[in-house]
Amino acid sequence: SQQGEEDPQALSIQEGENATMNCSYKTSINNLQWYRQNSGRGLVHLILIRSNEREKHSGRLRVTLDTSKKSSSLLITASRAADTASYFCATDAQGNTPLVFGKGTRLSVIA
Amino acid sequence: DAGVIQSPRHEVTEMGQEVTLRCKPISGHDYLFWYRQTMMRGLELLIYFNNNVPIDDSGMPEDRFSAKMPNASFSTLKIQPSEPRDSAVYFCASSSWTSLKFFGPGTRLTVL
Repeated sequence: SQQGEEDPQALSIQEGENATMNCSYKTSINNLQWYRQNSGRGLVHLILIRSNEREKHSGRLRVTLDTSKKSSSLLITASRAADTASYFCATDAQGNTPLVFGKGTRLSVIA
Repeated sequence: DAGVIQSPRHEVTEMGQEVTLRCKPISGHDYLFWYRQTMMRGLELLIYFNNNVPIDDSGMPEDRFSAKMPNASFSTLKIQPSEPRDSAVYFCASSSWTSLKFFGPGTRLTVL
């Protein structure tokens, strides 16, 4: 069963706008990761945030983690058409235990 | 590094046939994971290995599914006999102690 639940399920924005996706999870985690999947392709790792971190940046990506609320958000700033993809959050409980994925948010960036 | 390699990329077969999916993890990674992705159920973990040993196969749907890892550089996922409901994209992923998982491009399986 899924651990993470992404919200919204689908998001459509104009190029240049910011996109925010949220993820909620149920149990204690070791870290939380965000992945991107382009249509018909594999998953690409975007960013990892550990349970003792609250915010992390990578280029146009900003991830926050609130362990008290068991939630995370992914912000993509100044979106581009190439950002069109599905975005998944995934958690693991400890060490190298398997990732448990949500069902993803489908982001469409319209040029 | 070539990343995680999966073969074939696409497989179309008829119900009842045996299907074998292959995965070559990233060299030096000692964890290997098999996932299945469908529209209805999303990404599901099937099985994972550590140092070639299966650790958790509770996600394997039925006895028709089996997975092996005979050495550190190769794993197979076999479905025998295949059924239409097995149609999905199957992903292999590998990782080292960092817990960062690297995914292969997937095998799109269609069972007619």
